[in-house]
Amino acid sequence: DIQMTQSPSSLSASVGDRVTITCRASQGIRNDLGWYQQKPGKAPKRLIHAASSLQSGVPSRFSGSGSGTEFTLTISSLQPEDFATYYCLQHNSYPFTFGPGTKVDIK
Amino acid sequence: QVQLVESGGGVVQPGRSLRLSCAVSGFSFSIYAMHWVRQAPGKGPEWVAVISYDGNNKHYADSVKGRFTISRDNSKNTLYLQMNSLRAEDTAIYYCARGPGIYDSSYLDYWGQGTLVTVSS
Repeated sequence: DIQMTQSPSSLSASVGDRVTITCRASQGIRNDLGWYQQKPGKAPKRLIHAASSLQSGVPSRFSGSGSGTEFTLTISSLQPEDFATYYCLQHNSYPFTFGPGTKVDIK
Repeated sequence: QVQLVESGGGVVQPGRSLRLSCAVSGFSFSIYAMHWVRQAPGKGPEWVAVISYDGNNKHYADSVKGRFTISRDNSKNTLYLQMNSLRAEDTAIYYCARGPGIYDSSYLDYWGQGTLVTVSS
């Protein structure tokens, strides 16, 4: 099975900050990766697909990059509605696996 | 618009069975693979199972293999998850999610709101 790790596990940031979250795969997964945002009591919402493609309707302050084993999600200017937990998901091979998550909270 | 609505959750005793449903609308269900993903309280999501658009191919997480069965009825636009021999560790919110389709490679793009399964005596 492909293991996914994320760093950091949590971070505190202020509105307007640039935030970067890293996801690493235990083996190469090409660009078969998505990033999801989850708020309490809600289902995960996809932000990025194919590692770097912005989901329709998602603000352009979100961006993704990477290929192979290392990926990043960047929020260029953190907004109040962005405080949430972020997960990566690899869909290169079964079983699909999620990263353990990064919780972004207010500094 | 795309909608996925799960149902069938509830409280069940260990060792018993439960069947979840996911009714979809707003897209051509019969040309999309479908997934179940669960999330235990306070934990991250865990992928559970997938079924191909025609129902001929299925894959499961090791944690549920042999106990859970994914199926679909394309005439009813509905996805199912039959859960047998339930354990306390199966307690979670269960989500259904879409993708990819025959004509697109978009994985788990739309999700339902989830249904809570609690396994407890």
